[in-house]
Amino acid sequence: DIQMTQSPSAMSASVGDRVTITCRASQDVAIYLAWFQQKPGKAPKRLIYAASRLQSGVPSRFSGSGSGTEFTLTISSLQPEDFATYYCTQHKSYPLTFGQGTKVEVK
Amino acid sequence: DVQLVEAGGGLVQPGGSLRLSCEASGFTFSGFWMGWVRQAPGKGLEWVATIRQDGSDKYYVDSVKGRFTISRDNAKNSLFLQMNSLRAEDTAIYYCVTYGGYEAMFQYWGQGTLVTVSS
Repeated sequence: DIQMTQSPSAMSASVGDRVTITCRASQDVAIYLAWFQQKPGKAPKRLIYAASRLQSGVPSRFSGSGSGTEFTLTISSLQPEDFATYYCTQHKSYPLTFGQGTKVEVK
Repeated sequence: DVQLVEAGGGLVQPGGSLRLSCEASGFTFSGFWMGWVRQAPGKGLEWVATIRQDGSDKYYVDSVKGRFTISRDNAKNSLFLQMNSLRAEDTAIYYCVTYGGYEAMFQYWGQGTLVTVSS
């Protein structure tokens, strides 16, 4: 199984901060990598697919990069509505696996 | 607009069964792989199962193999998850999701349905 490891697991940040979340795969997943945002009590929402393609309707302050085993999600200027938990997932091979999540909290 | 609406969750005793359904609208259901993802209370996301457009291929996470069965009815734009021999660790919100290539991969999610396995 491909293990997905996110770092950090949690972070405190302020509005306007640049935020970077890392996702590492235990094996090469090429660009079969997506990022999701989840707010309490809500279903996850896809932000990025194919490692770097921005989902339609998602603000351009979100960006994704990487390929192979190391990926990053960057929020260029954190907004109040961005405080949430973020997950990466790989779909290169079964079983599909998620990272453990990164909770972005108010500093 | 794409809509995925799950139903069928509830409280069930350990060893019991439950059948979840997901009604899809706003897209060509028969053209997409579909799947289920779950989230235990306060925990992260876990992929459960996926099914090919025509139902000919199905994949499951190891922890549910032999107990859960994913199926679909393209004529009714519906996805199902038959869950047997339920365990306490199956307690979670179950989400219906689109799957497939890069673009469809978990692009759309339902609102989720809560399954609680407890005596």
